[in-house]
Amino acid sequence: LAKTTQPISMDSYEGQEVNITCSHNNIATNDYITWYQQFPSQGPRFIIQGYKTKVTNEVASLFIPADRKSSTLSLPRVSLSDTAVYYCLVGGSNAGKSTFGDGTTLTVKP
Amino acid sequence: ETGVTQSPTHLIKTRGQQVTLRCSSQSGHNTVSWYQQALGQGPQFIFQYYREEENGRGNFPPRFSGLQFPNYSSELNVNALELDDSALYLCAGAVANTGELFFGEGSRLTVL
Repeated sequence: LAKTTQPISMDSYEGQEVNITCSHNNIATNDYITWYQQFPSQGPRFIIQGYKTKVTNEVASLFIPADRKSSTLSLPRVSLSDTAVYYCLVGGSNAGKSTFGDGTTLTVKP
Repeated sequence: ETGVTQSPTHLIKTRGQQVTLRCSSQSGHNTVSWYQQALGQGPQFIFQYYREEENGRGNFPPRFSGLQFPNYSSELNVNALELDDSALYLCAGAVANTGELFFGEGSRLTVL
């Protein structure tokens, strides 16, 4: 499985757009990129998944450049409730065998 | 709401004991994966079950074992507990070969 590198922590303010970048230089041809959000003492929750270019859903966008060696999760207009740990996973379609990295702790301030 | 429930939510055991953790997933989740999450770290893959057979294992010793049942429930068993087994144990259901995992809230195990 491809190793991922994310910033350990990020700070933001309410209403701002937050971009979290994940590096995955060894991504394989059939790997997907998936992002999860985790609050303390809860299980991770799926945010978004993509393979290439741009994917958007009701909560986030995922930008993947042509070489796919990195990806950026974009959270528009964050609120205090977006304070959480965000994990980037890279793997095949069987996501259930993925091991998470240490994630990025996002702190949103008022 | 992910439709995945785990029990118990918290438990305390002593070193050397055995523990069974349970997970109930929603209909259609034909795979179940178990993860161990130590404090301040990301979830580490223990193993996955598909059609009641182990379908992949992470770097965990044989004293970690599991079962999957036809009714979309599963168990994680840990024998000869060690202090380092203290962690949040998460199960995740999914449809085979899809990318979205549905996690439960976890079982917090403390080994004294």
